[in-house]
Amino acid sequence: EADIYQTPRYLVIGTGKKITLECSQTMGHDKMYWYQQDPGMELHLIHYSYGVNSTEKGDLSSESTVSRIRTEHFPLTLESARPSHTSQYLCASSEYRRSSYNSPLHFGNGTRLTVT
Amino acid sequence: SQQGEEDPQALSIQEGENATMNCSYKTSINNLQWYRQNSGRGLVHLILIRSNEREKHSGRLRVTLDTSKKSSSLLITASRAADTASYFCATDPNAGGTSYGKLTFGQGTILTVHP
Repeated sequence: EADIYQTPRYLVIGTGKKITLECSQTMGHDKMYWYQQDPGMELHLIHYSYGVNSTEKGDLSSESTVSRIRTEHFPLTLESARPSHTSQYLCASSEYRRSSYNSPLHFGNGTRLTVT
Repeated sequence: SQQGEEDPQALSIQEGENATMNCSYKTSINNLQWYRQNSGRGLVHLILIRSNEREKHSGRLRVTLDTSKKSSSLLITASRAADTASYFCATDPNAGGTSYGKLTFGQGTILTVHP
């Protein structure tokens, strides 16, 4: 499987805490994404980046923020976690192609976040 | 509702049988992709079909695309217990001929293959 790593795999944290979910890829991909997935449900795009210092919000409104200071690193931060943030967070990356056809996404194994 | 909708939501078959999953979408697309997700893991890309293609094969996988009906199907032939997973279609919307890489995923089909 792809070389994209997410840590931690599981996180249980109390309400109000600040958390950062880490995502790193070793493939040199320019594009990176964060998706949120509830159990048995579809994925929703919450953030994406086309390169260093480029970040955009996705289709699903999220209280999280992201940064892209290095190509390989795309962390997601929640300043004050709430129970409604309980979900699985999946990071993905893809190669930039100078065409109208997108290249496939490579996913990490996800972080399952539980906020109590 | 979401761009990609899949049918059925769950499918249970015996090893050796074929499994067919369907996906419908609403807007024009650059391409449609299928992904697989094992329980508790990330998604793995299976196959990509471009909007100007009608059928594509990869091993035991066969994907069809009908842009006039805005639908796609994934066929897994001679299924194995190891094929048990959730399968998602994802569409890459056509924004004036440009892909921004913002895939929209369906809700998935849960496939169970009994040995």
